[in-house]
Amino acid sequence: QVQVEQSGAEVKRPGASVKVSCRVFGYSLSEISIHWVRQAPGKGLEWMGSFVPEDGETIYAQKFQGRVSMTEDTSLDTGYMEMSSLISEDTAVYYCVLGGDFDYWGQGTLVTVSS
Amino acid sequence: DIQMTQSPSSLAASVGDRVTITCRASQDISNWLAWFQQKPDKAPKSLIYAASTLQSGVPSRFSGSGSGTDFTLTITNLQPEDFATYYCHHYHRYAPSFGGGTKVEI
Repeated sequence: QVQVEQSGAEVKRPGASVKVSCRVFGYSLSEISIHWVRQAPGKGLEWMGSFVPEDGETIYAQKFQGRVSMTEDTSLDTGYMEMSSLISEDTAVYYCVLGGDFDYWGQGTLVTVSS
Repeated sequence: DIQMTQSPSSLAASVGDRVTITCRASQDISNWLAWFQQKPDKAPKSLIYAASTLQSGVPSRFSGSGSGTDFTLTITNLQPEDFATYYCHHYHRYAPSFGGGTKVEI
């Protein structure tokens, strides 16, 4: 059974960066797609980007290109999402999701951006 | 990018009701369509993928249909645990996108 465990909540100042991690259990990260999705308070789901092993490339939503970086350490079966130049509107729960069908969701990581 | 339009944005229903939620894609997405259920302060849960295939463990009162641009999620015999927000999701690998959500409430 695939399980996804994300890092804990973060509080950041505007202009700072944040790095969220996503540890995978029960599957090899080198063999499964990984996606990042965020949800602002009271709002809907927003796709940020994906890594598809078969393609060997990471694709980002246009809105986040240049400000978000998604990486993996396959030896640790851990994925990372780093976002820079944070603003208050980046306050959200960030989800790591696995599988081509977005099957397996992490518990979410709350990132709060506040001065 | 492909836009997903979900309707209604909210609906009121009672236990035992049949509920239908629709999702329209701005262009043909074949059957690359999934449905998720989200309860307050919880991560979304996958219900259906490939437009009509139920995830393992999902009750058979949930069903999905459609292809191309028009899709439907139907819940028959609504149960108390089904009151939640539902999202459609187009997961074509190059530009996934979500519908705006439908809140099903009492």
